[in-house]
Amino acid sequence: EVQLWESGGGLVQPGGSLRLSCAASGFTFSSYAMGWVRQAPGKGLEWVSSITGGGGGTYYADSVKGRFTISRDNSKNTLYLQMNSLRAEDTAVYFCVTTGSENYFASWGQGTLVTVSS
Amino acid sequence: IQMTQSPSSVSASVGDRVTITCRASQGIGIWLAWYQQKPGKAPKLLIYSESSLQVGVPSRFSGSGSGTDFTLTISSLQPEDFATYFCQQAGSFPITFGQGTRLEIK
Repeated sequence: EVQLWESGGGLVQPGGSLRLSCAASGFTFSSYAMGWVRQAPGKGLEWVSSITGGGGGTYYADSVKGRFTISRDNSKNTLYLQMNSLRAEDTAVYFCVTTGSENYFASWGQGTLVTVSS
Repeated sequence: IQMTQSPSSVSASVGDRVTITCRASQGIGIWLAWYQQKPGKAPKLLIYSESSLQVGVPSRFSGSGSGTDFTLTISSLQPEDFATYFCQQAGSFPITFGQGTRLEIK
C-alpha cells in the first residue's frame, strides 16, 4: 500500500522559509515522479511542483518559480519542498503526490498546513 | 492552459444521473483526469486519460470527451458521492485544475 506522510508545515512570517518533507513507503520510490499540490483554505487545487524519478527534471508553477525548490533523496524515500520568501498567498495545505508518467496524481498524502502570517 | 468547470455547484438526489463538464482553453488530447474530494480529506483520483477508471473506483463513474471538452458522469448517485469534483489537465506544464464542482444533496 502506498503511504505518503508530509511534515514540516507550520506558522511562518512573510519573507520566511520552511522546508516540507514527504516520507514515502509501499512502492519503489525512485521509479516514480513525485510532486506537490496545494489548496488554500476553502479554495481549489493548485499544482506547485514536480520532479522526475531520478531527480534530474524539475517543474514549477509560475507562482512559486524562483522561490521554491523541489528535491528528493531516493536513498531515504523522501521528497522535499524548500520554500523561501514566503507570502501570505502561499498559505495552504500542501499535499505530497505520486505522479505517473502521464502527470496524474494517483496517491496523496494527508497534507500539511503552511500558514504565512505576521 | 485554463480549465473551466461547469456548473460550480449542483444539487441532486440519490439515484440521479449527474454530469459535470470541463473545458480546456486549448486542446489537450485525452490528457484529463477527474478527482473527488470530501471535506477535510485529500483528493482521490477517479478517472485518468479521459475515460480510464482508477482501480477501485465504482463503475457508475465514467468520463468522456477529447480535445477541449470533457464530461464526468455519475450514472446513479449514491450517498457517498456527495463531494467536490475537480478536473485536471495533464497534457503540459504547468499542470492546471478546474475550479471545482460541488455536488450537494437536494
